[in-house]
Amino acid sequence: DSGVTQTPKHLITATGQRVTLRCSPRSGDLSVYWYQQSLDQGLQFLIQYYNGEERAKGNILERFSAQQFPDLHSELNLSSLELGDSALYFCASSPWVVGDTIYFGEGSWLTVV
Amino acid sequence: GENVEQHPSTLSVQEGDSAVIKCTYSDSASNYFPWYKQELGKGPQLIIDIRSNVGEKKDQRIAVTLNKTAKHFSLHITETQPEDSAVYFCAASSGNTGTASKLTFGTGTRLQVTL
Repeated sequence: DSGVTQTPKHLITATGQRVTLRCSPRSGDLSVYWYQQSLDQGLQFLIQYYNGEERAKGNILERFSAQQFPDLHSELNLSSLELGDSALYFCASSPWVVGDTIYFGEGSWLTVV
Repeated sequence: GENVEQHPSTLSVQEGDSAVIKCTYSDSASNYFPWYKQELGKGPQLIIDIRSNVGEKKDQRIAVTLNKTAKHFSLHITETQPEDSAVYFCAASSGNTGTASKLTFGTGTRLQVTL
């Protein structure tokens, strides 16, 4: 158990809908990362937050957004969902700065039908 | 940006044999290289990591080597066991400014240890 908690574990929704994935980082960790894992794309970095502020952005679509709250939990919002958004979404956390070990949660399986 | 290539994509070894997975990276500024193991239905789990000021690191049956000049690093698993069967990912950290950091992952190696 990495200490990173993600909910929900599984989610099935229809195209065009909007979903929110939630992540609680390890106790004391200030950085939260979101990754998307699909069969053909591997693990793709989406976005990083550090202590409530966006710090790094990867291949995140404009339909997706994220935020980190004062209690350090984070949410990833996915809107206008398409079939191709079906994937595993991972949250990870790390204590502090660049070069730190990051620990992954168990992921949220999103299926868009 | 950083690009990480990983080989082979699949690897089958007999129990007790060694397994080697290789990765190359493109950004010479990368300074942190972790390896993750992902079992079916689970999140990636860190198994070993190495920083750019070290050439080799070992933890029981697992070792990682880093060649900064050639920009490649490798994972070595000795005396493989069936429970080593999983997908292994290498990664490189290209973040070097303040608190911005991201890992770029390789495409994964599916390791199968057969009896």
